[in-house]
Amino acid sequence: NAGVTQTPKFRVLKTGQSMTLLCAQDMNHEYMYWYRQDPGMGLRLIHYSVGEGTTAKGEVPDGYNVSRLKKQNFLLGLESAAPSQTSVYFCASSFFPPQEQYFGPGTRLTVT
Amino acid sequence: AQKVTQAQTEISVVEKEDVTLDCVYETRDTTYYLFWYKQPPSGELVFLIRRNSFDEQNEISGRYSWNFQKSTSSFNFTITASQVVDSAVYFCALSETTSGTYKYIFGTGTRLKVLA
Repeated sequence: NAGVTQTPKFRVLKTGQSMTLLCAQDMNHEYMYWYRQDPGMGLRLIHYSVGEGTTAKGEVPDGYNVSRLKKQNFLLGLESAAPSQTSVYFCASSFFPPQEQYFGPGTRLTVT
Repeated sequence: AQKVTQAQTEISVVEKEDVTLDCVYETRDTTYYLFWYKQPPSGELVFLIRRNSFDEQNEISGRYSWNFQKSTSSFNFTITASQVVDSAVYFCALSETTSGTYKYIFGTGTRLKVLA
């Protein structure tokens, strides 16, 4: 039982490049979330999904896209990376809210 | 609007001291949920506790205890006899229903340093 895993753990991008972050969970959770964590700002919700094939915008969705083609996977895409997207990205999953969320180990992204 | 305030940015204590982390929240809902998460230096957030708005009983789990007071909109977290392994960033979070969808709002976190 791996819980929530994220790939990759670290990444450096140049401005304008694109990339996809992968989140996988093996707990059969319906809900999945992508957050970004910046110093002094806590966790901010980017996008979330309430089930396979569904996605919704969170607090800071601009510049990101997501997809949930399979229940266990939630992908976060950056089409054209900007330095402002330098952050630590966390994926989380849960049963129907307001159950507690389970978090992945995070992905540290640097955009130069 | 909902908001979670953790006014203490960083706290340093000496091992074996007791320490309380403050959390104040704002919500218009009568039904809501409060959480505490721990983020150790390794980076992964770990769930500690969940409380619903109808349960004001204090909770104790080993050296950890939580004090929920609706009258002051606070959900404070106390570590008794702190240990170096308690060093981490602690987040308080609020979840309430907005148009039938639950959303989680996190505070900015309190960094706890426990010195040996």
